[in-house]
This record gives sequence, structure tokens and C-alpha cells, in this order.
Amino acid sequence: DIQMTQSPSTLSASVGDRITITCRASQSISNWLAWYQQKPGIAPKLLMYKASRLESGVPSRFSGSGSGTDFTLIISSLQPDDFATYYCQQYFRYPRTFGQGSKLEIK
Amino acid sequence: EVQLVESGGTLVQPGGSLRLSCAASGFTVSSNYMSWVRQAPGKGLEWVSVIYSGGSTYYADSVKGRFTISRHNSTNTLYLQMNGLTPDDTAVYYCAREADSGWYDYWGQGTLVTVSS
Repeated sequence: DIQMTQSPSTLSASVGDRITITCRASQSISNWLAWYQQKPGIAPKLLMYKASRLESGVPSRFSGSGSGTDFTLIISSLQPDDFATYYCQQYFRYPRTFGQGSKLEIK
Repeated sequence: EVQLVESGGTLVQPGGSLRLSCAASGFTVSSNYMSWVRQAPGKGLEWVSVIYSGGSTYYADSVKGRFTISRHNSTNTLYLQMNGLTPDDTAVYYCAREADSGWYDYWGQGTLVTVSS
């Protein structure tokens, strides 16, 4: 199975900050990577696919990059609605695997 | 509008069985790859199973031989039959549509399965 490792696991930041979350795959997955945002008690929401393509309706302050094994999610200017947990997911092969999550907290 | 609505989650004893349903609207289940993804309390996301549009099915090792994914085309509903449940199966179960190459573009609201005596 392809292991996905995110860092940091927890991040404290303030409104207006620029933050970066990284995701590393245990083997090359080309750009077959998605990012999701999840709030407590709610299903995950797709933010990005193919590593850098923004899902329709997602604000442009979200961006993604990377290929191979190393990927990043950047939020350029945090808004109050962005405090949530973020997951990366590889779809290079089955079983689909997710990172352990990065919880973004208000400082 | 695409919508996925899960049902069937409840408290069940270890060794018991349960069938989850996921009613879809706004698209055709049988024309898409459909997955079940679960999330144990306070934990991350774990893929469980997929059914391809062609009917092929695949399972995570943790549920292989115990869970069965299926669909009913006339009612546009996805199912997950779960047998031999253990406390490790306690989780919120989501159904999700797999877009194009494998990301999940639509998710249901989830249904909670609790396995406990």
C-alpha cells in the first residue's frame, strides 16, 4: 500500500496568515493527489485534484503543487472558515490511501 | 443537483451484521465508480471498498471476506453489507462518488456504525 504522511499534524495560525501543509507519498504517485477539508461532524469536501487543480467553487486562496512523492497545500491568507482538518489522498492505485490529517487551529 | 444520503447505521453487537444504504440522486450510480470510506471516532479517513461501473469490486484488506459492496440500478442505490463486525469497524461510513481518475467529488453525510456489546 502507498503510505501518505502529512506534516504538520497540528498547526496554529491566525486570520490572514499564509500556511503550508505538506504531504509525502511512500512512492511516486505522479500528480494523482487530492486534498480535502473536513470540519467536525461534516463529510470531507474536495478542494483540489491532480495535485494543483482547484475544484469548482473553492476560493483561489487555496493552491496546491507537487508531483512524484512531495506535495504541498497552501492557503495564502487564512479566513475564519478555513480552520478545519485537511487530508491528502492518493489515487495512483488501490487501496486509495489518505494522510493522517493536518488540523489547522486558531492561534 | 448531486446528492448522496446514507442510512442504516446503528449499534450492533460484535459478530453481528448490518447493511448500509446510500441513495443517490442527480447522477447514475451504475455509470460511476462508487466507494465507501470510513472514519473511526477521532481518527482519519480509511477507504473501505469500491464498485466499478462495470461491476468489479475491490476491498481493503481489513474488511475483505466480511464486507460486500453492491448496487441496485433501478433504485440508484449503493449498499455495503457488513458481516462479522468487530469493535474496530466502529466508524462513520461515507459513500462517495469517485470522479474521473480517482478523487472523491461528492460525499454523503455519513452514517454511524457502533460495534459494542
